[in-house]
Amino acid sequence: DGGITQSPKYLFRKEGQNVTLSCEQNLNHDAMYWYRQDPGQGLRLIYYSQIVNDFQKGDIAEGYSVSREKKESFPLTVTSAQKNPTAFYLCASSRRVRSNEKLFFGSGTQLSVL
Amino acid sequence: AQRVTQPEKLLSVFKGAPVELKCNYSYSGSPELFWYVQYSRQRLQLLLRHISRESIKGFTADLNKGETSFHLKKPFAQEEDSAMYYCARGAGSYQLTFGKGTKLSVIP
Repeated sequence: DGGITQSPKYLFRKEGQNVTLSCEQNLNHDAMYWYRQDPGQGLRLIYYSQIVNDFQKGDIAEGYSVSREKKESFPLTVTSAQKNPTAFYLCASSRRVRSNEKLFFGSGTQLSVL
Repeated sequence: AQRVTQPEKLLSVFKGAPVELKCNYSYSGSPELFWYVQYSRQRLQLLLRHISRESIKGFTADLNKGETSFHLKKPFAQEEDSAMYYCARGAGSYQLTFGKGTKLSVIP
């Protein structure tokens, strides 16, 4: 089954803890993205990556970090510096980073703070 | 900064009635416009994009540069159209901006 796989579906974070959200794709896409979705706020871009070992900050990168060591994988770490981490996180990919490219989305991870 | 405005948080229509989901964008060069849809318990997915000039599931959207709008329309709503709809725009190098979304509810 081709596509984007995000795990876990639900994640809980304690105060001061870093947590990592997984995103894997088997679409052979060069570009990958992380969005944050809050009720009534739409999708906001956290980070994106055009190619392996490269990534760029989006609109709300503070308190987050990413890596892109493999083409298929783009994990997102929510650090303790992110003071309001409770949200629904969506990973996406596209063939390349272009404004007219179709995005393919994962099923999301709901992160909550204990 | 690029902006995408979807003025309605919630839109309720009766089955068989026409649907129009509004989207306005801030003007900047030649934007790329999209509509994404999220059905209940499904992933967010592309519905249509303006460069394709296509009709998907009976929906169409016309780019109006004069009004900076990209409204999504369907002449006769169906129950299965109930979903969350997001308008999005890109311009130049990558920076896709999403609106806050409109929840469409089709009443049987």
